[in-house]
Amino acid sequence: AQTVTQSQPEMSVQEAETVTLSCTYDTSESDYYLFWYKQPPSRQMILVIRQEAYKQQNATENRFSVNFQKAAKSFSLKISDSQLGDAAMYFCAYRSAYGGSEKLVFGKGTKLTVNP
Amino acid sequence: GAGVSQSPSNKVTEKGKDVELRCDPISGHTALYWYRQSLGQGLEFLIYFQGNSAPDKSGLPSDRFSAERTGGSVSTLTIQRTQQEDSAVYLCASSVGQGTYNEQFFGPGTRLTVL
Repeated sequence: AQTVTQSQPEMSVQEAETVTLSCTYDTSESDYYLFWYKQPPSRQMILVIRQEAYKQQNATENRFSVNFQKAAKSFSLKISDSQLGDAAMYFCAYRSAYGGSEKLVFGKGTKLTVNP
Repeated sequence: GAGVSQSPSNKVTEKGKDVELRCDPISGHTALYWYRQSLGQGLEFLIYFQGNSAPDKSGLPSDRFSAERTGGSVSTLTIQRTQQEDSAVYLCASSVGQGTYNEQFFGPGTRLTVL
């Protein structure tokens, strides 16, 4: 079974600075999808960024980018120019590309605090 | 357009009672998922629906938990004889059911407290 590990329960960053959240995963599959979700105090899960394992190029969405290292099974999230609104729980998630189930496997999350 | 909605937003119940949690997916989404988020934990998969059938129900923790989906739309998660360890936020998500990423869109969740 696949597992996702987020080794940083909490992180903090100064407003306008850059922060990197770590995520590693374990799988024997060769094709899969990886996601970062943001969960503010409202509980609403919001997709931040996504990556397919077969794509070599790292995904980027505005201030958010990933460093995907397939061989190392690492998928870190970089937030540039951090804003107060970025404060939230961040979850890394894995989904198999093979049929049967579309379920997401989540890490336990990293709580990000943004200091003014 | 409307997102995924869940009701109730909060539910407090007594140990041993049955509860029903409802999820309304985004219109046209054929896939629906239930997850559970316990305090300080990540999201734990419970069940996945494609249409009205559940190809994967491997995450249901016990036979006290069941779910159904009718008309390819609304889903109900039922917990019978609730226990204190059932206290958690129950999140529902839906997706188009196909495509490369098949992105899951989440509802705001139902916070269940079992006294």
